[in-house]
Amino acid sequence: DQQVKQNSPSLSVQEGRISILNCDYTNSMFDYFLWYKKYPAEGPTFLISISSIKDKNEDGRFTVFLNKSAKHLSLHIVPSQPGDSAVYFCAASAMEYGQNFVFGPGTRLSVLP
Amino acid sequence: DADVTQTPRNRITKTGKRIMLECSQTKGHDRMYWYRQDPGLGLRLIYYSFDVKDINKGEISDGYSVSRQAQAKFSLSLESAIPNQTALYFCATSGPGQGFMNTEAFFGQGTRLTVV
Repeated sequence: DQQVKQNSPSLSVQEGRISILNCDYTNSMFDYFLWYKKYPAEGPTFLISISSIKDKNEDGRFTVFLNKSAKHLSLHIVPSQPGDSAVYFCAASAMEYGQNFVFGPGTRLSVLP
Repeated sequence: DADVTQTPRNRITKTGKRIMLECSQTKGHDRMYWYRQDPGLGLRLIYYSFDVKDINKGEISDGYSVSRQAQAKFSLSLESAIPNQTALYFCATSGPGQGFMNTEAFFGQGTRLTVV
């Protein structure tokens, strides 16, 4: 049973518009959440993270929102650019589990020019 | 040069053969991980090591073994490869963070393994 879920396998967005990628988790022990971006033939690269003591973290065009009561987080990309087209993985970790990272299945984002 | 280097990048092997995937890192991190990526399943943890003397099984360790030869080196072995081990394999490292705060993982470029 997946502890981290990304229910949208793919998402298409027009350039300049907002991209919203969603992630749900089931384990309430998770206390740190991360988003990774992956291009073909490359390893995942870290994008942005958020601690469970916060509900929002912003870095340039990227903002992550955390709703602990709903066990839900989302990544907003504004404005979306064609170079943002990639697979995005949501991940979670818990100090309780030695900070192993549990990943979701990924969402493929396509930003159309 | 990449901080986390995996070799080989691509490998085709036959069923029943033993194969080793290697990973080295220059980030000075104590923690190293091996993940496998399959379509629709994301990245699943195979093994992890928090220091040279520490080896732990992950979610899908059956059919795999690992060796932590040094702080900077962590290898993954398939003792007798089978076709359903065909996947993309990633090595990753992470540091403990300041004051034991959470930190992110850094990934290698991956090894595409095909078992025929």
